[in-house]
Amino acid sequence: AQSVTQLDSQVPVFEEAPVELRCNYSSSVSVYLFWYVQYPNQGLQLLLKYLSGSTLVKGINGFEAEFNKSQTSFHLRKPSVHISDTAEYFCAVRNLNTGNQFYFGTGTSLTVIP
Amino acid sequence: GAVVSQHPSWVICKSGTSVKIECRSLDFQATTMFWYRQFPKQSLMLMATSNEGSKATYEQGVEKDKFLINHASLTLSTLTVTSAHPEDSSFYICSAGGASNQPQHFGDGTRLSIL
Repeated sequence: AQSVTQLDSQVPVFEEAPVELRCNYSSSVSVYLFWYVQYPNQGLQLLLKYLSGSTLVKGINGFEAEFNKSQTSFHLRKPSVHISDTAEYFCAVRNLNTGNQFYFGTGTSLTVIP
Repeated sequence: GAVVSQHPSWVICKSGTSVKIECRSLDFQATTMFWYRQFPKQSLMLMATSNEGSKATYEQGVEKDKFLINHASLTLSTLTVTSAHPEDSSFYICSAGGASNQPQHFGDGTRLSIL
């Protein structure tokens, strides 16, 4: 089965500092990759996605992620975080060989410190 | 953009009650919807895949008779938690989307609290 690993469960970072949230997935030929953000008591909001093409994808709110096939990684980055970025972030993989289900990582709680 | 509406957002009820949660795709048709369960500070756990006009596909370990799924139209899927007990208390989220190369759109979730 597809697995998604988010190595950091909690990431505290000072406001205006850069941040990287790590995501690794088990190897598969046909996958699509996504990052979602979840604010308290809400559903998930799409930040960005990688389907094909350029390995550096840009999303909303200044976030970007880089797909690295050799390392099976899809790390999320932001050069300067804001207080409003405090939330839970989930990496997700959609495996086209197993019925199109989404598999989520365990999530990373980002806390921006003023 | 595509919107998925989930209702109710929060429900509190007594043990033994059955609770129905609705998931609607507001501006697109969804032949497939997904139901997830999320425990506090944890990730989303896929419970089942809801298929329009046919039976849902449940993940291993999810009780079919406990979590009834009906997908009677292209815009509505329902999850009914039958005879709910306190251990069923959780945050339930649905999602729907189009083609496989498109992201899923998520509802805002339903917080279920069983007393």
